Amino acid sequence: QSALTQPASVSGSPGQSITISCTGTSNDVGGYHYVSWYQQHPGKAPKLMIFDVNNRPSGVSNRFSGSKSGNTASLTISGLQAEDEADYYCGSYTRSNTLVFGGGTKLTVL
Amino acid sequence: QVQLVQSGAEVKKPGASVKVSCKASGYTFSNFYIHWVRQAPGQGLEWMGIINPSGDRTRYAQKLQGRFTMTWDTSTSTVDMELSSLISEDTAVYYCARDYGSVTYYMDVWGKGTTVTVSS
Repeated sequence: QSALTQPASVSGSPGQSITISCTGTSNDVGGYHYVSWYQQHPGKAPKLMIFDVNNRPSGVSNRFSGSKSGNTASLTISGLQAEDEADYYCGSYTRSNTLVFGGGTKLTVL
Repeated sequence: QVQLVQSGAEVKKPGASVKVSCKASGYTFSNFYIHWVRQAPGQGLEWMGIINPSGDRTRYAQKLQGRFTMTWDTSTSTVDMELSSLISEDTAVYYCARDYGSVTYYMDVWGKGTTVTVSS
């Protein structure tokens, strides 16, 4: 199972919006509604930010939103804040009853 | 509070095995599956496997099949993982994480991670 494809880095200024893409295949992202996004600050464990493509766990800011079209899922962060600077990973359930992550995207808040 | 507490860092030689423990507290242990995820230095997340609350159903990443084993101990609220025939590429931080619901493949509670170093 190959990792999902994410851009290595994205950046934005405070207050702006950014979008991170996550491309898979019909065997994972395109075939199921089970896409998630995780935020990871340096030296810390990942934190679940989005599940089921576009749902937020309790406590996650509504500045974070998700979507999917075909084999590509996206995470949008609006009203960028300094604390959003982190690595972001997408994840998807697969046809093999496993989970596959994306390679990760480093978000820099300028 | 809900937490997963992992065992301490390990240093192993190539070819050896390593066992990492993950002890749950603050919730009903038998109601949630547990995942294992690892992260090599400077690299991304890699899903390793999932185990059900009674420990009789597991699913492993194909890449690790045959070398990776998960076990469940309800009496101590602990899940263990063992990785055998270690190679340098197994050097990573290993995380246990609780499944968000009833086998959702989302992870809402994570341990702090256990560093495993494989070096001769």
